[in-house]
Amino acid sequence: GQSLEQPSEVTAVEGAIVQINCTYQTSGFYGLSWYQQHDGGAPTFLSYNALDGLEETGRFSSFLSRSDSYGYLLLQELQMKDSASYFCAVRDNYGQNFVFGPGTRLSVLP
Amino acid sequence: DTEVTQTPKHLVMGMTNKKSLKCEQHMGHRAMYWYKQKAKKPPELMFVYSYEKLSINESVPSRFSPECPNSSLLNLHLHALQPEDSALYLCASSQETSGQETQYFGPGTRLLVL
Repeated sequence: GQSLEQPSEVTAVEGAIVQINCTYQTSGFYGLSWYQQHDGGAPTFLSYNALDGLEETGRFSSFLSRSDSYGYLLLQELQMKDSASYFCAVRDNYGQNFVFGPGTRLSVLP
Repeated sequence: DTEVTQTPKHLVMGMTNKKSLKCEQHMGHRAMYWYKQKAKKPPELMFVYSYEKLSINESVPSRFSPECPNSSLLNLHLHALQPEDSALYLCASSQETSGQETQYFGPGTRLLVL
């Protein structure tokens, strides 16, 4: 089976940088995805890492260390609209089962 | 077009009712998913269809019955639900189910069972 851990809440101010960590235990591993979900909205895809290292997409970057079963999402130049829940997610070894982490609620303060 | 549509947006039903949730995508994706999400919790996978065949049923109670009429449509038939089934039901699609594919989510159906 799979299990993922994330901090439940993170608070930061506008313009700051915040890092949301994710540790995982899986029976197999394809890669680590990140999704954003605003209150009342649907999850939207942010980023994916299959190999070790940093992937950068605009203000958002995601990092993976397969040997440590660890990844993080880095959000730079925070804006109020970044206030949302952020989920890491993995596929299992067979590539079909998809499991979300518990989610981290990010609050961006003025 | 990267849109997944779901109807209805909201649904209130009694425990003896039968209703259906509908999902549609026109991105040519061959995998479609049903998730259940309770407040302040992550989405939980219920069903996966790959090439119109059910490939995963995460031990979901039989009162939930999925149907995939064609590669663009996904239904979830509801019968004799319980109040604890009240949740946001999300449909998603992706190109395939192997490796990494971005999942595109619909806006969800907010279900209340009385």
